[in-house]
Amino acid sequence: GAGVSQSPSNKVTEKGKDVELRCDPISGHTALYWYRQRLGQGLEFLIYFQGNSAPDKSGLPSDRFSAERTGESVSTLTIQRTQQEDSAVYLCASSVTEISGNTIYFGEGSWLTVV
Amino acid sequence: DAKTTQPTSMDCAEGRAANLPCNHSTISGNEYVYWYRQIHSQGPQYIIHGLKNNETNEMASLIITEDRKSSTLILPHATLRDTAVYYCIVRRNTGKLIFGQGTTLQVKP
Repeated sequence: GAGVSQSPSNKVTEKGKDVELRCDPISGHTALYWYRQRLGQGLEFLIYFQGNSAPDKSGLPSDRFSAERTGESVSTLTIQRTQQEDSAVYLCASSVTEISGNTIYFGEGSWLTVV
Repeated sequence: DAKTTQPTSMDCAEGRAANLPCNHSTISGNEYVYWYRQIHSQGPQYIIHGLKNNETNEMASLIITEDRKSSTLILPHATLRDTAVYYCIVRRNTGKLIFGQGTTLQVKP
């Protein structure tokens, strides 16, 4: 596809359940990023992948959050034992490489509501 | 991390130029300045980026001071659809974007 694709676009889950959010980056983009945005707040960096390098997990808020990426393609963000404070839009982005001059493009996000 | 400072909010009359300032006094020599905007809760939309020279594209112009400590995003003829939160970001050499709170631009008829 032409842009970053995320699924599901909306997810409502019960507190305590696990959820998986998927991101398909732009073809050929080796860098992939996950951000979280709570209602009315700014974007929080979560994690980023660059090729075969170890991912930068410095933004993950707790050990309930994890992410994987298969090669240079799809990534999955998993939230275990969801809590109400996890309710947010989760945004994925990709870039050709991690180099500062390469533009990062965002998807439209996955809206997560924990009830 | 190079930190950016932006005004919290600005107004602009429809059809006039919107000039959004940003300070980034701790920027490093090879770090780029990026501008994104976010309308409602859609994904951030890329606008423009630059290193040293001024840049222009179909959406906007970016003016970077010679010392690179500040920049201005210019929307030449603002429309109501340009109402959004505008983020000025310095991209670290390690690649990730760190977002601040941005400037809420309100374009008024």
